[in-house]
Amino acid sequence: GAVVSQHPSWVICKSGTSVKIECRSLDFQATTMFWYRQFPKQSLMLMATSNEGSKATYEQGVEKDKFLINHASLTLSTLTVTSAHPEDSSFYICSARSSRTGGYYEQYFGPGTRLTVT
Amino acid sequence: KNEVEQSPQNLTAQEGEFITINCSYSVGISALHWLQQHPGGGIVSLFMLSSGKKKHGRLIATINIQEKHSSLHITASHPRDSAVYICAVSPGAFYNTDKLIFGTGTRLQVFP
Repeated sequence: GAVVSQHPSWVICKSGTSVKIECRSLDFQATTMFWYRQFPKQSLMLMATSNEGSKATYEQGVEKDKFLINHASLTLSTLTVTSAHPEDSSFYICSARSSRTGGYYEQYFGPGTRLTVT
Repeated sequence: KNEVEQSPQNLTAQEGEFITINCSYSVGISALHWLQQHPGGGIVSLFMLSSGKKKHGRLIATINIQEKHSSLHITASHPRDSAVYICAVSPGAFYNTDKLIFGTGTRLQVFP
């Protein structure tokens, strides 16, 4: 099956610094990638939809100036958490949507990045 | 009421038991996904289906579009099956999976 990677898998940073998380589709081109956030024992919450070559679409309540998303190529999207605060500590997961085949878009998930802000 | 409901929320089983996890949804969908999340956090897509039944190894997923219900079955369960199983739907009548709606997950523990 298709593979999506994330880097780093975990990161610890100090308050006020910025952190960049990469999401790559390794063996397919993804025109659309999604960024999710997950709090402990809760389900995934969609933060934004990232389309290659255009601005990301953010969900209501997600600060676009705080969570910068760039989808510069068909295999890479990045999420930058700017001026991180402890409340930004969370598990961030990306997914990539494959090309439409047989009428379906398949979505493949990355392994996630655990961010801890101290 | 959530648009995607899963039951049970928690499930424990002995190794070898047959396991069923249920998912009901209240919106029109183009596809339904079953995902597996292990304690480390990474998510694996198990199935995507829009009708009928799919089987992969010891896992079987079924969906009844008329009843808006899907089940995930695990035969001959094993401790390594312990994980959170998440049902998610692609809303809409057309094959557009822009946004998934997630259930809250079923936490499965299989004991040896």
